[in-house]
Amino acid sequence: GAVVSQHPSRVICKSGTSVKIECRSLDFQATTMFWYRQFPKQSLMLMATSNEGSKATYEQGVEKDKFLINHASLTLSTLTVTSAHPEDSSFYICRAPGNNGYTFGSGTRLTVV
Amino acid sequence: AQKVTQAQTEISVVEKEDVTLDCVYETRDTTYYLFWYKQPPSGELVFLIRRNSFDEQNEISGRYSWNFQKSTSSFNFTITASQVVDSAVYFCALSEARTGFQKLVFGTGTRLLVSP
Repeated sequence: GAVVSQHPSRVICKSGTSVKIECRSLDFQATTMFWYRQFPKQSLMLMATSNEGSKATYEQGVEKDKFLINHASLTLSTLTVTSAHPEDSSFYICRAPGNNGYTFGSGTRLTVV
Repeated sequence: AQKVTQAQTEISVVEKEDVTLDCVYETRDTTYYLFWYKQPPSGELVFLIRRNSFDEQNEISGRYSWNFQKSTSSFNFTITASQVVDSAVYFCALSEARTGFQKLVFGTGTRLLVSP
């Protein structure tokens, strides 16, 4: 079945630094990748949709310049949190398209100190 | 607009009790999918079930069962004889045909605590 590999699983960074999170589709090609953010004890909220070969689509209220999304190839989508601050600490998880429900990455827990 | 409501924020039960997690959804689409996911403390999302809007048959998988009722826009999840390993956050989610089933909207989740 379709597998999405996400890494790192955990990252701790200092305020002001940037962090890159990668999601790779291992056995299929993904022209689109959905990025979600989950604050502690809250639900998953869609942040943006990356599209291979074109600009990402951001949900309302999500800062494009802060959360840089790149879909470099049909198997790789990246989310870069730029100039991270403690309020960016969250769980980030990607999902490849498909209605089978399976194709989530394993998530990245970001802690900004 | 699509919306998923999980009114129960947290449920605590003792092992071997049965527990039902409620999910109510809103959609204008006639064709849609409903999902349940389990999120253990490690964070990953574990897929439990997908149900399309044309299939109202209830489903049973081991200790898990799902009751889909379009008349009340509900898709409830029951765990029979709960176990400590069932402790997790459970999310109900919805995707609609008008988005090509690509956008997945989650409920706020229900935290289930099963104590020994």
